[in-house]
Amino acid sequence: QVQLQESGPGLVKPSETLSLTCTVSGGSIRTNYWSWIRQPPGKGLEWIGYIYYSGSTNYNPFLKSRVTISVDTSKNQFSLKVSSVTAADTAVYYCARRDYYGDPTGRSWFDPWGQGTLVIVSS
Amino acid sequence: DIQMTQSPSSLSASVGDRVTISCRASQSISSYLNWYQQRPGKAPKLLIYAASSLLSGVPSRFTGSGSGTDFTLTISSLQPEDFATYYCQQSYSTPYTFGQGTKLEIK
Repeated sequence: QVQLQESGPGLVKPSETLSLTCTVSGGSIRTNYWSWIRQPPGKGLEWIGYIYYSGSTNYNPFLKSRVTISVDTSKNQFSLKVSSVTAADTAVYYCARRDYYGDPTGRSWFDPWGQGTLVIVSS
Repeated sequence: DIQMTQSPSSLSASVGDRVTISCRASQSISSYLNWYQQRPGKAPKLLIYAASSLLSGVPSRFTGSGSGTDFTLTISSLQPEDFATYYCQQSYSTPYTFGQGTKLEIK
């Protein structure tokens, strides 16, 4: 079964770039779409964006100007970069597979999820 | 953006109780609605997709229903492991959005 694992620094300074990688195991990244979702401490879930293995992306407008999601099919990984971070970007960051049946533009859901990684923005 | 509103925000119940959590979308989303369970310190886990389809391996005491703007998640007989926070999520259009969560606590 497919498993996902996030990795990257747990502490980032304000104004710098947050960088995380999600490694996919138990299956090929050359299927489905792959997403990043975050959860500020004690708060709800925010969808950041997704990428297809071909490299096509879809970002949430609330972060779009600062976010880049990329994919490395040779390593079965996809990555997240958030530039110019502030304390408001402190959150647990999850990677997840965006699964669907039939039409990829139709009904979709997030499954499975990685365990999540806490990123704190602080000097 | 489509706003998702869950009610109640928190709920106290006992083992064996039947509970219902509601989720309302700010516009019609057909059956593009998913439900997740999140235990403290853990990642969310998918329970129900496309409003009423139970993910393989999820106990049958979980059921989802609804379409359009109003949806419900029902747990027929609460088990100790069901005390968690539940989120609905719409996949009708991007940006995908989640409800604020319903925290299910032991009475």
